[in-house]
Amino acid sequence: AQKVTQAQTEISVVEKEDVTLDCVYETRDTTYYLFWYKQPPSGELVFLIRRNSFDEQNEISGRYSWNFQKSTSSFNFTITASQVVDSAVYFCALSEARDYGGSQGNLIFGKGTKLSVKP
Amino acid sequence: DVKVTQSSRYLVKRTGEKVFLECVQDMDHENMFWYRQDPGLGLRLIYFSYDVKMKEKGDIPEGYSVSREKKERFSLILESASTNQTSMYLCASSLLGSMGTDTQYFGPGTRLTVL
Repeated sequence: AQKVTQAQTEISVVEKEDVTLDCVYETRDTTYYLFWYKQPPSGELVFLIRRNSFDEQNEISGRYSWNFQKSTSSFNFTITASQVVDSAVYFCALSEARDYGGSQGNLIFGKGTKLSVKP
Repeated sequence: DVKVTQSSRYLVKRTGEKVFLECVQDMDHENMFWYRQDPGLGLRLIYFSYDVKMKEKGDIPEGYSVSREKKERFSLILESASTNQTSMYLCASSLLGSMGTDTQYFGPGTRLTVL
């Protein structure tokens, strides 16, 4: 069965610290997608990144970086030099590819990690 | 930019009322989704639709129905609201990608309180 585990419920750091949010997933499929979303206090989920199971290259976008390791079924997210604006709940999610019609690769979400960055 | 809008940010209803939550997307996406988000439970899929007039049950469809008469609009209906349906409701949309999946883009959410 599909499952996403975000073991860290809450993390608190001081501004400029680096922080890593963990995500471990379970799936039986060989083709799947992994996502990270950010949910600031306003409530809207903001898409951050999407990776497919065939691409294990790490990704860097500004202060954000992602480490995808199939061997450990992990897709961890690191924020470098954290800022107060990074305070939010972060969700990791998994979807499996489907053929046209029927279930359309629905997202399975982890329970989220609440990150608080203090000035 | 993808734009997903929801009819209300906050809604207060009474037990037994019929409640309509509306979602509109402007990117010609085939797929639309309704989730609810509760503390400690994360996001759970209620219903989704991959085409006009098509719908499929998600993980927790009980007590809900949906309507998709036009491609850009997906409505969630609570036939008889109950207090356990007090929650944050999130709508999302996505393209029908070549692999059958694509990034979901979310609306701002509707926080529904049922008294």
